[in-house]
Amino acid sequence: NAGVTQTPKFRILKIGQSMTLQCTQDMNHNYMYWYRQDPGMGLKLIYYSVGAGITDKGEVPNGYNVSRSTTEDFPLRLELAAPSQTSVYFCASSPPDRGEAFFGQGTRLTVV
Amino acid sequence: QKEVEQDPGPLSVPEGAIVSLNCTYSNSAFQYFMWYRQYSRKGPELLMYTYSSGNKEDGRFTAQVDKSSKYISLFIRDSQPSDSATYLCAMRTFSGSARQLTFGSGTQLTVLP
Repeated sequence: NAGVTQTPKFRILKIGQSMTLQCTQDMNHNYMYWYRQDPGMGLKLIYYSVGAGITDKGEVPNGYNVSRSTTEDFPLRLELAAPSQTSVYFCASSPPDRGEAFFGQGTRLTVV
Repeated sequence: QKEVEQDPGPLSVPEGAIVSLNCTYSNSAFQYFMWYRQYSRKGPELLMYTYSSGNKEDGRFTAQVDKSSKYISLFIRDSQPSDSATYLCAMRTFSGSARQLTFGSGTQLTVLP
């Protein structure tokens, strides 16, 4: 019962480097999300997708890109890493006809 | 004003105590209400889910929604040290707009043995 799987769990990047955070879900959920969580700040929505081929910006999209070529996968791309992107990133998915979202275990990213 | 307000705590209680966690919201379009539990360095885990006013009980946990006051609560009875975590409220509009899944900032709870 995998649910939502994120890789890697930890990563250290240098300023200006790029990377892709991977997210895959096996629940056949249409909706997928990327959030970042900073200490004491709750969860902020970066991007979301309502289905394959459809993505839209959330509250804090600057510096990130996403794609959704399949129902299962929703990778998050950081093109030019900045220290402000140091955070914990969570991917989540939800079925379209219900409210709850299910989260992965997170990727802890540090930009130095 | 934030759409969802949650007291960040921290909240510290003795084992066996009844815990009350609360959120208020301003968007009357919210219809789904959820509580998540997040252990340190882990992802949020869905704890309770409801889409109507009233109470929903699951073991030691009771979720309460008062739409007229725009107020939701989570009660934990007979609290245990294993309940020590951050609790996040979340809510969503009935329209199913993926964007409108909004979280509170979380309340950090410690249950002392």
